[in-house]
Amino acid sequence: AQSVTQLGSHVSVSEGALVLLRCNYSSSVPPYLFWYVQYPNQGLQLLLKYTTGATLVKGINGFEAEFKKSETSFHLTKPSAHMSDAAEYFCAVSEDTSGTYKYIFGTGTRLKVLA
Amino acid sequence: GAVVSQHPSRVICKSGTSVKIECRSLDFQATTMFWYRQFPKQSLMLMATSNEGSKATYEQGVEKDKFLINHASLTLSTLTVTSAHPEDSSFYICSAKASGGNEQFFGPGTRLTVL
Repeated sequence: AQSVTQLGSHVSVSEGALVLLRCNYSSSVPPYLFWYVQYPNQGLQLLLKYTTGATLVKGINGFEAEFKKSETSFHLTKPSAHMSDAAEYFCAVSEDTSGTYKYIFGTGTRLKVLA
Repeated sequence: GAVVSQHPSRVICKSGTSVKIECRSLDFQATTMFWYRQFPKQSLMLMATSNEGSKATYEQGVEKDKFLINHASLTLSTLTVTSAHPEDSSFYICSAKASGGNEQFFGPGTRLTVL
């Protein structure tokens, strides 16, 4: 069965500092992995995804993540935090279950950016 | 492309009434739609998966008679919360997936408040 663990429900960084949000997964088959951002009272916006191919994935707003199969990780990073990055971030894993591709979400990490 | 809308964005109703939420894929045909609920400061929990023209598949613990899902066309799915009670107050988010695709596209969410 799939599962996703996001270490750290709250992360605070200074503006301009490195952002690192951790995500570990378990999956019985090669997974599809996603990072989403959610602003208050809004839906989810896709930051980036890994399906196949290059393990270092670049997304929007300067974010990137690296799929490390040996570590079952898909951590999200951004070299320099901006105030507008303050939001809730969700990691999700998906498997092809009869073509449905259900998602399992992590518990989320709230990112706070300090001026 | 890949835009999903939800209507209404907010709804307030009295206890005991029924509320219908619509989810539409605006620029693609969604063979599969998903309904999630999200409690404050928590992650998204999958409620059910619906395929166009078929009965929805509900996750364990979700009452199918209380949360009625209809996916009558390739662009529209509806969630009806029947006899709503205050504990049903939540943020409901839908997503849609095209045939052959492996990515879900999310709607902006509907905030339901039951008084």
